[in-house]
Amino acid sequence: DQQVKQNSPSLSVQEGRISILNCDYTNSMFDYFLWYKKYPAEGPTFLISISSIKDKNEDGRFTVFLNKSAKHLSLHIVPSQPGDSAVYFCAASAADSWGKFQFGAGTQVVVTP
Amino acid sequence: DVKVTQSSRYLVKRTGEKVFLECVQDMDHENMFWYRQDPGLGLRLIYFSYDVKMKEKGDIPEGYSVSREKKERFSLILESASTNQTSMYLCASSSRPRYTQYFGPGTRLTVL
Repeated sequence: DQQVKQNSPSLSVQEGRISILNCDYTNSMFDYFLWYKKYPAEGPTFLISISSIKDKNEDGRFTVFLNKSAKHLSLHIVPSQPGDSAVYFCAASAADSWGKFQFGAGTQVVVTP
Repeated sequence: DVKVTQSSRYLVKRTGEKVFLECVQDMDHENMFWYRQDPGLGLRLIYFSYDVKMKEKGDIPEGYSVSREKKERFSLILESASTNQTSMYLCASSSRPRYTQYFGPGTRLTVL
């Protein structure tokens, strides 16, 4: 059973607008979360992280929000650019997991002109 | 920059063949991982290694084995390939267990 879920397989957004990607998890022991971006024919690349001691982390156009009580995190991309068109994965790990991350199924983002 | 390379981008094998997927990282990372990526399932961990000659099972180790004889190299072995092992295989490395993982470009394996 998947412990990390990205329920939206795809998202289309206009250039310049905000992209909001959602991720839900079921394991309350998860305390560290990553977002990765993947272009076709390339491996995923790290985007941004957040630990459970924070509820927000920002890096340029990318902001991740964590709601521990709801077991929910979201990635905001503002403003969206054509180069942001990619698949985005969220990943989560627990302190006792020996570094194992559980990944969601991914959300395909398409930024349109 | 961390570089993780995988021996092949595309591979076609027949059912029953033994398949070797090689991964090399150049950043002296302790930890290495093998995942497979399938549509609708995301990335699933097959095996990982925290040191030379050490290996740990991930979430889906059945049908796979691994070898780590040198720190920079982590091999995934399909002892007898089956059609349900057709997938994208991704290797990753990290300097410490919960640190960011750096991925290779992936190997698209097709088993006929």
